Order: sequence, then structure tokens, then C-alpha cells
Amino acid sequence: DAKTTQPDSMESTEGETVHLPCSHATISGNEYIYWYRQVPLQGPEYVTHGLQQNTTNSMAFLAIASDRKSSTLILPHVSLRDAAVYHCILRASGGSNAKLTFGKGTKLSVKS
Amino acid sequence: DMKVTQMPRYLIKRMGENVLLECGQDMSHETMYWYRQDPGLGLQLIYISYDVDSNSEGDIPKGYRVSRKKREHFSLILDSAKTNQTSVYFCASSFGVSGNTLYFGEGSRLIVV
Repeated sequence: DAKTTQPDSMESTEGETVHLPCSHATISGNEYIYWYRQVPLQGPEYVTHGLQQNTTNSMAFLAIASDRKSSTLILPHVSLRDAAVYHCILRASGGSNAKLTFGKGTKLSVKS
Repeated sequence: DMKVTQMPRYLIKRMGENVLLECGQDMSHETMYWYRQDPGLGLQLIYISYDVDSNSEGDIPKGYRVSRKKREHFSLILDSAKTNQTSVYFCASSFGVSGNTLYFGEGSRLIVV
């Protein structure tokens, strides 16, 4: 799987909209962009994923650059519960080699 | 209810003892995984299982083995635990292997003294 680059940490305030960037300059055509988040003492939780088009769900909006070399996870109106480590991961589709490789992620702090 | 359950949640063992970590899922997922996570590091893949008795090494398999005799159950075994295997272990499952969402358990915290 190609590598991703994320900032180590970001800070925000409750109610703000947060933009979490991820760079994946060597992404392959069959690789999906996945976002997971993890809070202390719990396992990672799926947030969203996409291939080429922007996607949205109840948790977040994923904006994917037209060249697919970067993406941004947008969290609207964050609350204290959104404080977590956010992982941007590439995962190839198909075949037995499809597996996730987690890096250190971005630690998002939210203050009241 | 989609759930991955890990047992035990906390475990302390002496060096050289055997360790059994168990994982169950209620989603009939074919694929299951074992990861470990250490402070300041991301998750490292230990083993993948594609179905019953169909297991494959991940990135750090040394010192570990796995067993999958039923689709819903996946075990991680440490024969003669070492202190450097102190870690948090996460089990996960997914429907198929074609890039679908992983569901994670809450983790098993192992301390080897």
C-alpha cells in the first residue's frame, strides 16, 4: 500500500469546522482512501472512505483532490467527543493483499 | 448488532508463559485480523485470516501464531511470551478482502513481566 502523510496534531474548539489533511502522492489507481479514528482505550472506528468523488455521511465530509494525491477530512461543528487520533489509510481493492496499514495519524484536540 | 468481542481485556503474564487471546465476531465476516499497537506507533498487522484454516502472515508475525477453526472465532497465541510482546492487541473483521470496512474490537492489554 502507498504511504500517507498527516500532521501529528491539530487543535480545535467546540463548534468549529475542522479540516484534517492527508497527502498520498504515490496513490495507485485501485487504492481507496479510508479514514478511521481512535480514542484512548478503544479500537479504531470507521469514519468514511472514497475512491475519486467527494463523499459525505453523518460523521464527516471527505474531499478528494482531482489528482487524488491528497484528501481532506472535514468535521463540521466538532464536539468534545470528536477528540481522537484520525488515521488516513490507503487500501487496495481486490485480491488477498488488501490490508490496512495504520500510521501514527493526526491527534485532534478539542477544547470547550 | 455488529460487534467484535475480545477476551480477556486485560492480562498480566510472566516471561515464558503461554498466552491465548481470543476474538469473536457476530457478522459472519470471512476475514479477520490481529494487530498490535504500541505507544507512539500505529497499528502493526500480525496475521490475517481469510476464512477457516486460511491464515497468512502480516508484517510482524514472529513470535505469534493464530488459529481459526470457526468463521466467527480467531485466536492469537504467544508461545513463551517475551517482555517485548507487552502491547495492546486489536482484533478486527471485514466482509471479504476487497477493501471493505474493518470493524475493530476494544483491545486486549497484555503485560509480560
